[in-house]
Amino acid sequence: GAGVSQSPSNKVTEKGKDVELRCDPISGHTALYWYRQSLGQGLEFLIYFQGNSAPDKSGLPSDRFSAERTGGSVSTLTIQRTQQEDSAVYLCASSLLGDRGYEQYFGPGTRLTVT
Amino acid sequence: GDSVTQMEGPVTLSEEAFLTINCTYTATGYPSLFWYVQYPGEGLQLLLKATKADDKGSNKGFEATYRKETTSFHLEKGSVQVSDSAVYFCALIGTGGFKTIFGAGTRLFVKA
Repeated sequence: GAGVSQSPSNKVTEKGKDVELRCDPISGHTALYWYRQSLGQGLEFLIYFQGNSAPDKSGLPSDRFSAERTGGSVSTLTIQRTQQEDSAVYLCASSLLGDRGYEQYFGPGTRLTVT
Repeated sequence: GDSVTQMEGPVTLSEEAFLTINCTYTATGYPSLFWYVQYPGEGLQLLLKATKADDKGSNKGFEATYRKETTSFHLEKGSVQVSDSAVYFCALIGTGGFKTIFGAGTRLFVKA
C-alpha cells in the first residue's frame, strides 16, 4: 500500500518568508509525528499528533513553528519568518497507534533551504 | 531524559567483514528499541526492533539483542556487503511515550 508522502520534496525560500510543509500519513494511522534532521542536531522530535490533537509539542524549537492536523489525516507544519538555522530535512512519520510498540513509518522528507 | 548513544563513525569495512555498531541507552522502565537505516538519497527505514528484554530483532542478516542488564542494543552482521553502505540509527521509544529518540547515527562504508 501507499506509504507516508510529503510535499514538497525540496523547498528553497528566502529568509523571513513563511513556508508550509505537508504530510500525508498512511491511511488508518491515528498517530502522526514530525521530526527534523539537520547536520548539527541529528534527528530531533518536533511534535506528535494523536488524531487531530497534539498532546506533545515540546520539540517545537520556537513559536515560529506550528502544526495542525485535520480530519485525522493530513498534517501541515508551518514555519513563519524562516531563519537560516531552519534549514534541514523535515521528516513526517505515522503509526497505527501512538504507542511504543507500534512501528513508525517515515516519509521521504522535505529538504528546506533558507537563503 | 531518555537518550541513545551510539558509536561514532564513519566505519569502513571490506566486503564480507563482521560488523558491530554499538548502541547503549538511558531510559526508565522498558523502552522499545529500534535500528533504522538510511541509504544514500533515501528516507529512514526500520531495520529491526525489539520490544522487551532479551528479545532479538533480525532482518536482512542484521541482528540486535535487547540487553537490559547492560542497557545495550548492539547491531551485528556476520558478512557485510557493499549494498549495506548507509547510515544506521539506533533509537528508542520510552515507556508511556511515543516520540522516537535517535542516536547520532553511524555511517558505514563497505569496500569491494
